[in-house]
Amino acid sequence: NAGVTQTPKFRVLKTGQSMTLLCAQDMNHEYMYWYRQDPGMGLRLIHYSVGEGTTAKGEVPDGYNVSRLKKQNFLLGLESAAPSQTSVYFCASSDGTVYEQYFGPGTRLTVT
Amino acid sequence: KNQVEQSPQSLIILEGKNCTLQCNYTVSPFSNLRWYKQDTGRGPVSLTIMTFSENTKSNGRYTATLDADTKQSSLHITASQLSDSASYICVVGTGGSYIPTFGRGTSLIVHP
Repeated sequence: NAGVTQTPKFRVLKTGQSMTLLCAQDMNHEYMYWYRQDPGMGLRLIHYSVGEGTTAKGEVPDGYNVSRLKKQNFLLGLESAAPSQTSVYFCASSDGTVYEQYFGPGTRLTVT
Repeated sequence: KNQVEQSPQSLIILEGKNCTLQCNYTVSPFSNLRWYKQDTGRGPVSLTIMTFSENTKSNGRYTATLDADTKQSSLHITASQLSDSASYICVVGTGGSYIPTFGRGTSLIVHP
């Protein structure tokens, strides 16, 4: 039981490049979330999903897109990376009861 | 607007000492309150979760309290260890919502 995994762990992009971050969970959770964490800002919600095939915007969705084609996977895409998207990205999942979130190890992204 | 405020922002203590972290929230309707520990470079890990009817919950040397009337919670760490050095995040769940509200965290440093 691996819990929540994220790929890749680190990435450096040039401005304007695109990439996809992959989140996978093996706990059969319905809900999945993408957060970014910046110094002094805490965790901010980018997008979330309440089930396979559904997605919704969070607090800071601009510049990101997401897809949830399979229940266990939640993809976060950056179509044209900007330096302001330099951050640590965390994926989380939760069940439908107490909504306790389980977090992945994070992806550290630098955009130059 | 739902908000979670944590204090202090940072704290330095000596190994073996006790400490208490504070969390005040203005979230309605209240569903649950969780404390997470986040080690440097890792994802947050749940320490405790409390619902409206619970006013204390322990996890080893960590004890969380909840006063739903004053909308305050505290996390007490007993006999601190070097491994307690981390960021502690207070998260409040809202009834009927999939999206919890995060505090910005308290950074704790334990010195030998």
